[in-house]
Amino acid sequence: DARVTQTPRHKVTEMGQEVTMRCQPILGHNTVFWYRQTMMQGLELLAYFRNRAPLDDSGMPKDRFSAEMPDATLATLKIQPSEPRDSAVYFCASGLREANSPLHFGNGTRLTVT
Amino acid sequence: SQKIEQNSEALNIQEGKTATLTCNYTNYSPAYLQWYRQDPGRGPVFLLLIRENEKEKRKERLKVTFDTTLKQSLFHITASQPADSATYLCALDGTSGTYKYIFGTGTRLKVLA
Repeated sequence: DARVTQTPRHKVTEMGQEVTMRCQPILGHNTVFWYRQTMMQGLELLAYFRNRAPLDDSGMPKDRFSAEMPDATLATLKIQPSEPRDSAVYFCASGLREANSPLHFGNGTRLTVT
Repeated sequence: SQKIEQNSEALNIQEGKTATLTCNYTNYSPAYLQWYRQDPGRGPVFLLLIRENEKEKRKERLKVTFDTTLKQSLFHITASQPADSATYLCALDGTSGTYKYIFGTGTRLKVLA
């Protein structure tokens, strides 16, 4: 059963440190999404890529966040420098290019910035 | 402003009854609306998709309706079971016809045995 894999599952870091989260999308899916989930804001779209090119990253704070796809099997989300308000669960999802296709989510990276 | 609203209060229902969850949206014109289930510590899992020109969609004990005039979708679980207890999220294509899915905050459902 194909699934999206995210690492690490949990990350605790101090304010100011760099954080890198990784995602392996489902093989054959050409669209990759990054979402952030908090109790207050729910699930927020940060960015999404198609065929490794960014389509929309308007939800991402540009000064500290960056998202890339070095190749079709790996997506990364980096925060530098991290701040306590970045504490959240970060989800990666992948899908086929059609808007009527479901999103397949990983189980997230729970980030705590102290 | 654009909003997707789901009942933030938990919904408790008795086993065997029908659960009905609501998703209302403002200032969107979605072509598609999806429903997901999320369990604690896990990512959302896709359940159903309904298109703007469809009134109703069914899958086993699940039924979704989509009223573009009322700007509302209803999600029904018939003959509910304790295993249906989870948070249910609606999502719509924030820019019509694109893959830019925006999610509601979800409704927590608890089915009591």
